[in-house]
Amino acid sequence: NAGVTQTPKFQVLKTGQSMTLQCAQDMNHEYMSWYRQDPGMGLRLIHYSVGAGITDQGEVPNGYNVSRSTTEDFPLRLLSAAPSQTSVYFCASSYSMGLGGTGELFFGEGSRLTVL
Amino acid sequence: GESVGLHLPTLSVQEGDNSIINCAYSNSASDYFIWYKQESGKGPQFIIDIRSNMDKRQGQRVTVLLNKTVKHLSLQIAATQPGDSAVYFCAEDTGNQFYFGTGTSLTVIP
Repeated sequence: NAGVTQTPKFQVLKTGQSMTLQCAQDMNHEYMSWYRQDPGMGLRLIHYSVGAGITDQGEVPNGYNVSRSTTEDFPLRLLSAAPSQTSVYFCASSYSMGLGGTGELFFGEGSRLTVL
Repeated sequence: GESVGLHLPTLSVQEGDNSIINCAYSNSASDYFIWYKQESGKGPQFIIDIRSNMDKRQGQRVTVLLNKTVKHLSLQIAATQPGDSAVYFCAEDTGNQFYFGTGTSLTVIP
């Protein structure tokens, strides 16, 4: 099993450009999520999905879109990149969340995005 | 929003000593907590978890303590090794969302 795979690992954008960060998992996890990590801020939840066709906003959703058409994939779209979106992005998945679930999040290796 | 905070941003310990990393959380309704380890350039990795109906849980060389009265978590690492050098995060599960602390950087001095 590859686990959680993120592409690309590095990306440089100009302000206003759009791009999609890809995330795929092969563990048949229902729950998937995107976090951004900034210095001194820890990990902040952008969007999450509890299953195919279902998405919801996290703590910092503005400027990002997501979709979940399959169990395996959860792409994150930046429609018009801004310098404030310079960050390291992590995709994570879990078999289940909340009461009764293991809760353990499996993380990808991260995508480092710079917006000029 | 929720806040999960760590008392110290950095911690240096001698190899072989025990390490204690602390974390405060704010949501008294949170019922599940996890500690993650993040090495440089990598994604966070699960270390140990604990549910709110417990006050202590032990793993291999690691122990998590939960004090619900003061909303405090701690991670204890026994006989700290150079490979333990990393950033450690606590996270609280409020249902469908995990809230992470800002992290403590642990440096092990050989």
